[in-house]
Amino acid sequence: QVQLVESGGGVVQPGRSLRLSCAASAFTFSSYAMHWVRQAPGKGLEWVAFISFDGSNKYYADSVKGRFTISRDNSKNTLYLQMNSLRAEDTAIYYCASGLSILDYWGQGTLVTVSS
Amino acid sequence: DIQMTQSPSSLSASVGDRVTITCRASRTISNYLNWYQQKPGKAPKLLIYAASSLQGGVPSRFSGSGSGTDFTLTISSLQPEDFATYYCQQSYSTPYTFGQGTKLEIK
Repeated sequence: QVQLVESGGGVVQPGRSLRLSCAASAFTFSSYAMHWVRQAPGKGLEWVAFISFDGSNKYYADSVKGRFTISRDNSKNTLYLQMNSLRAEDTAIYYCASGLSILDYWGQGTLVTVSS
Repeated sequence: DIQMTQSPSSLSASVGDRVTITCRASRTISNYLNWYQQKPGKAPKLLIYAASSLQGGVPSRFSGSGSGTDFTLTISSLQPEDFATYYCQQSYSTPYTFGQGTKLEIK
């Protein structure tokens, strides 16, 4: 059974950095594109970033472009999201999800709170 | 960016009702439209992809239709486990935008 497990969330001060991880299992991670999607408390879903199966293509939402970096290590079956210059509006549950453009499997999410 | 607009934002219905949720794209997206269900405290779950294809394991009471800019999600006979929030998402071009969600509540 496909499993995606996010980690790395927590409370961080504005302007600081945080790196999220998403560990994948039970599928051929290196063959699948991956995404990060976030959800602010009580709000809807916001697509954040995409990375192709081999890491050669990356796309970002305008709201995070230049601050967040998506990457992957196929040897470790792990997806990452490096988040720099964090703002209060980045506070959200961050989900990783698999699929080229259809998000067919999702992790349970990790909460990031940006607060002083 | 392509904007996705769902209606209604919330909906009250009873078990056994037939329910339709609509999603409109700000420009044509062919059939690159997906629907997700999210229950409180849980991750979203893919229900329908490519506007009308049912994801494996999803009950047949769920169906999707549409093409171009206008799409619908229909639940033919509501079950207690269907009360949740539903989101459409366009997968035509990045950023892969979501609709604002439709919260389906028990009447």
